[in-house]
Amino acid sequence: GAGVSQSPRYKVAKRGQDVALRCDPISGHVSLFWYQQALGQGPEFLTYFQNEAQLDKSGLPSDRFFAERPEGSVSTLKIQRTQQEDSAVYLCASSTREEEISYEQYFGPGTRLTVT
Amino acid sequence: DQQVKQNSPSLSVQEGRISILNCDYTNSMFDYFLWYKKYPAEGPTFLISISSIKDKNEDGRFTVFLNKSAKHLSLHIVPSQPGDSAVYFCAASAGVGNTPLVFGKGTRLSVIA
Repeated sequence: GAGVSQSPRYKVAKRGQDVALRCDPISGHVSLFWYQQALGQGPEFLTYFQNEAQLDKSGLPSDRFFAERPEGSVSTLKIQRTQQEDSAVYLCASSTREEEISYEQYFGPGTRLTVT
Repeated sequence: DQQVKQNSPSLSVQEGRISILNCDYTNSMFDYFLWYKKYPAEGPTFLISISSIKDKNEDGRFTVFLNKSAKHLSLHIVPSQPGDSAVYFCAASAGVGNTPLVFGKGTRLSVIA
């Protein structure tokens, strides 16, 4: 089956612009995670959904970051008024079908955001 | 404050020899550990994992060892192959599955033919 897909793969935004990053998880996966990976660092947790419920958004760096998953499938990460420090790769991961407990997360290829 | 530390940014190994990648953690609540492999321009790919109730897990050429008292784990790859050249991330979980992972900064492995 298809893996996690993300679009766009690359995004260049001028400082102050709003951007929207999309994630299509593996079909049937109920858990969806967003991570931010800065250059030379490991992925860092941003937010987490179980179906359409956002269970944890403690990793979002500011109120300019907003994520949604309205129908429990596709998710969008929105960044308003982008700043240079937002430049990073944004990774989406999905995990588990209903009534499963799993630790393994399956990652998409990421969206590389460059803010100029 | 890094809860998961990979202190070697890079490692170079001859083809056919053993590669040993190390990872230390500070949070006693971590009870499940994973290794991911990442090629350029791709997302991390799950490699192998270990629960805190075990001290070893093996899958083909890959073995993960866990020393809970030392809060240390290691990934052994033997024999190493050129296709193993990638960045390896150690990750940890403190929940009962379906919880965010905490990653180290990664170790870049180069396997030289």
